Amino acid sequence: DVKVTQSSRYLVKRTGEKVFLECVQDMDHENMFWYRQDPGLGLRLIYFSYDVKMKEKGDIPEGYSVSREKKERFSLILESASTNQTSMYLCASTATSGITGGEQFFGPGTRLTVL
Amino acid sequence: DQQVKQNSPSLSVQEGRISILNCDYTNSMFDYFLWYKKYPAEGPTFLISISSIKDKNEDGRFTVFLNKSAKHLSLHIVPSQPGDSAVYFCAASADGSGNTGKLIFGQGTTLQVKP
Repeated sequence: DVKVTQSSRYLVKRTGEKVFLECVQDMDHENMFWYRQDPGLGLRLIYFSYDVKMKEKGDIPEGYSVSREKKERFSLILESASTNQTSMYLCASTATSGITGGEQFFGPGTRLTVL
Repeated sequence: DQQVKQNSPSLSVQEGRISILNCDYTNSMFDYFLWYKKYPAEGPTFLISISSIKDKNEDGRFTVFLNKSAKHLSLHIVPSQPGDSAVYFCAASADGSGNTGKLIFGQGTTLQVKP
């Protein structure tokens, strides 16, 4: 059974703190993604990675960075958390295959609150 | 620039009736479309997909219709059940994604099925 796990389900941080969100997948997928979900805005792509040590900006990368040192792990970093980064963060992974736009598998999400 | 749009934030239907969720897109390069379902405090799960070379795909109670000339797709759920109450996201991908599996998501529609 495929699995994407995220390090925390709920997180409360203070403004200015450095925040690490961890994501691990056990499917040997090449591609991994970080999204944030906000009401009325859907899922917006922050960053994605198509290989170890490779990363590309998504639609809203400002205020975030990422790290992919191992194939199974993709970390999202908030260098200095701000209240407008309060959101649900979702990690996903998918394989590189001959099928364009194959199904992405999502983790359960991390609800981050920045006070 | 919202390339995938779900213009109805919410939909309420009676149990046993048909639910129709709509999605519009602007990018004619999109060649694969997916629907995801999301319960509160969980990650999205894949529901059904359709390639641009088809106009219909059916899986049990779920059918997706694609109208390329109108750049419109819809998800039909028949019959609707209370357990279908969730947020539904439409997503699309383009061949130019280079097999990174990158998807563009709509804003989501919250479906409520009343017993």
